[in-house]
Amino acid sequence: EDQVTQSPEALRLQEGESSSLNCSYTVSGLRGLFWYRQDPGKGPEFLFTLYSAGEEKEKERLKATLTKKESFLHITAPKPEDSATYLCAVQGGTGGFKTIFGAGTRLFVKA
Amino acid sequence: GAGVSQSPRYKVTKRGQDVALRCDPISGHVSLYWYRQALGQGPEFLTYFNYEAQQDKSGLPNDRFSAERPEGSISTLTIQRTEQRDSAMYRCASSPLLGNEKLFFGSGTQLSVL
Repeated sequence: EDQVTQSPEALRLQEGESSSLNCSYTVSGLRGLFWYRQDPGKGPEFLFTLYSAGEEKEKERLKATLTKKESFLHITAPKPEDSATYLCAVQGGTGGFKTIFGAGTRLFVKA
Repeated sequence: GAGVSQSPRYKVTKRGQDVALRCDPISGHVSLYWYRQALGQGPEFLTYFNYEAQQDKSGLPNDRFSAERPEGSISTLTIQRTEQRDSAMYRCASSPLLGNEKLFFGSGTQLSVL
């Protein structure tokens, strides 16, 4: 069964303190791994797609990387406005285009 | 429309009543997904459509839940004989292409079953 596990559940950083969020996945025949950002009371908002091991994507202070078993979302010099829940999702295996999400990592950045 | 629209925004119902949740995707979007999200959790897959065809309904919890998208646009998620455990945020998402990874989410319908 396809599975996505994110860690840590919550992460508290000081402004400017870089860190990484982890997403471990189990899926046969990965079509894509996705990162979304979700602000309180809103729907998830798309950030990145990664398709194969070794691939990297960047957007402002965020950089996503992918291996055969996990993905990392690196946050460089975060700002308070980066505070949100970051969700990882996978598509693939026998699920066709079914997209499965992890529980998310809640990031708090303090000024 | 400019985004995915869901209605109602909030729904309060009594146990045993049927409810219908509506999703109006972005115009022209091919795929439509339904998720349920508990507080502090990620979205839980329920079902998805390509055009009007329901491709996967493996996430529907039981036979009280059903969904349709008869003309390949607006979709309705129906829950019959609601139970308190059905209380959650129900989210709809659409994507422009088959297999396209970029899901656009609506604001959701918060269902409360008393």
